[in-house]
Amino acid sequence: GDSVTQKQGQVTLSEDDFLFINCTYSTTTYPTLFWYVQYPGQGPQLLLKVTTANNKGISRGFEATYDKGTTSFHLQKASVQESDSAVYFCALAGTGNTGKLIFGLGTTLQVQP
Amino acid sequence: NSKVIQTPRYLVKGQGQKAKMRCIPEKGHPVVFWYQQNKNNEFKFLINFQNQEVLQQIDMTEKRFSAECPSNSPCSLEIQSSEAGDSALYLCASSLNRHTEVFFGKGTRLTVV
Repeated sequence: GDSVTQKQGQVTLSEDDFLFINCTYSTTTYPTLFWYVQYPGQGPQLLLKVTTANNKGISRGFEATYDKGTTSFHLQKASVQESDSAVYFCALAGTGNTGKLIFGLGTTLQVQP
Repeated sequence: NSKVIQTPRYLVKGQGQKAKMRCIPEKGHPVVFWYQQNKNNEFKFLINFQNQEVLQQIDMTEKRFSAECPSNSPCSLEIQSSEAGDSALYLCASSLNRHTEVFFGKGTRLTVV
């Protein structure tokens, strides 16, 4: 079945560091992939969407590129700020045409000033 | 800012009690989802609707959980007899159709004591 794997549970960086969060997926269909960000006490907010048609998403300084060969969808940002501290989730639109999302376990990013 | 409105934000129930939460999807979004997010950040899909019709639901939802999305009224998720293991953040989300971005509310945090 469909699945998403985020191996990094926690990432700690300093301001202006480069961010890279790993995400791999498995599906039998053409993937539509998302990155969501969740701040404390809030619901997940959509950060990026990428499909096989556009291959790359960019938003608020974050970038993600879909790689079919390695079935990966990593999230990057050149220079993080303390305000980027949050939990980041990779998600895959599941097969079955219901709109259901399959989420990874999330990566908690802590950016120190 | 999320346009999906969930009430209440916090809910405390005793074991065996009913727990009911409501959701107003973003205006014009006919597809509504309910997810459960546990303390380990794991998302569990519960059910989704398109207009008033159920698209997909998991076994758990078919037993103690019930949900509906009546026309011209908020959607709701109800747990008939709460258990300690139901303590979680319940997230409602909506989308324009089954293939587009999904937007989440801030959630209802249920604590079963």
